[in-house]
Amino acid sequence: GQSLEQPSEVTAVEGAIVQINCTYQTSGFYGLSWYQQHDGGAPTFLSYNALDGLEETGRFSSFLSRSDSYGYLLLQELQMKDSASYFCAVSLPTEGGKLIFGQGTELSVKP
Amino acid sequence: DGGITQSPKYLFRKEGQNVTLSCEQNLNHDAMYWYRQDPGQGLRLIYYSQIVNDFQKGDIAEGYSVSREKKESFPLTVTSAQKNPTAFYLCASSLLPPDTQYFGPGTRLTVL
Repeated sequence: GQSLEQPSEVTAVEGAIVQINCTYQTSGFYGLSWYQQHDGGAPTFLSYNALDGLEETGRFSSFLSRSDSYGYLLLQELQMKDSASYFCAVSLPTEGGKLIFGQGTELSVKP
Repeated sequence: DGGITQSPKYLFRKEGQNVTLSCEQNLNHDAMYWYRQDPGQGLRLIYYSQIVNDFQKGDIAEGYSVSREKKESFPLTVTSAQKNPTAFYLCASSLLPPDTQYFGPGTRLTVL
C-alpha cells in the first residue's frame, strides 16, 4: 500500500530554521506536495515537487529525492505565525489523482 | 476572486438525518474531491470526480453520496448510514492531469 511518514511534533524558536521530513512507500506518483493547516482551518498549499531537487518559495523550500523515497520541507526565519500542522502528500496517477496524506507534523514556534 | 467555497461552515445534525454539504469552485478545474479529516489525523478521500456526470468512490465512501451535475459544483450528502459522521469535511479541486489541489474552507459537521 501507500503510506507517508512524518514526525508528529517539532519545536523550534523564532528566527531559526527547521526541516520537516517525509518518507514514503508508494510505487508511483505525480509529485510531492506540502500543505500548512492552522488549527480549525483548511489546508493551504505551500509547495510542490514534480521532479527531484529543491523548490524555493520565499521562506519555504521543499526537496524531493525519488531514489531515496524521501522529501522535506524547510522553513527559514521562523515566525510565530508558522506554528501549524504541516502535511506532506503524494498525488497518485490512479483514482483521479487523489492525494495520500501523511499524518501531519505539528510545528510549535517558541519566542 | 477565484476560489472554492463551502457551506455551511458549521453544521449540526441529529442522528438519522441526511445532510448535504455544498462545494462550489470558479477556478474552471475539471477535478473535484471530498476529503474527511478527524482530529489529529491526515485527510482521507471520500469521493472524487474528473468530469461532469461522473464520479468515483474513494477510500471511505460508505455512507456518503455525491453528484456532479455542473462543473462548478460537487455537493456531498452524508447519509444516516454513515456510522461516525462527526468530522471536518474538505472539498478540493485541481486541473487535469492532477498535481496541486486547492482546498475550500471546510465544513465542520457535528452529529448530536
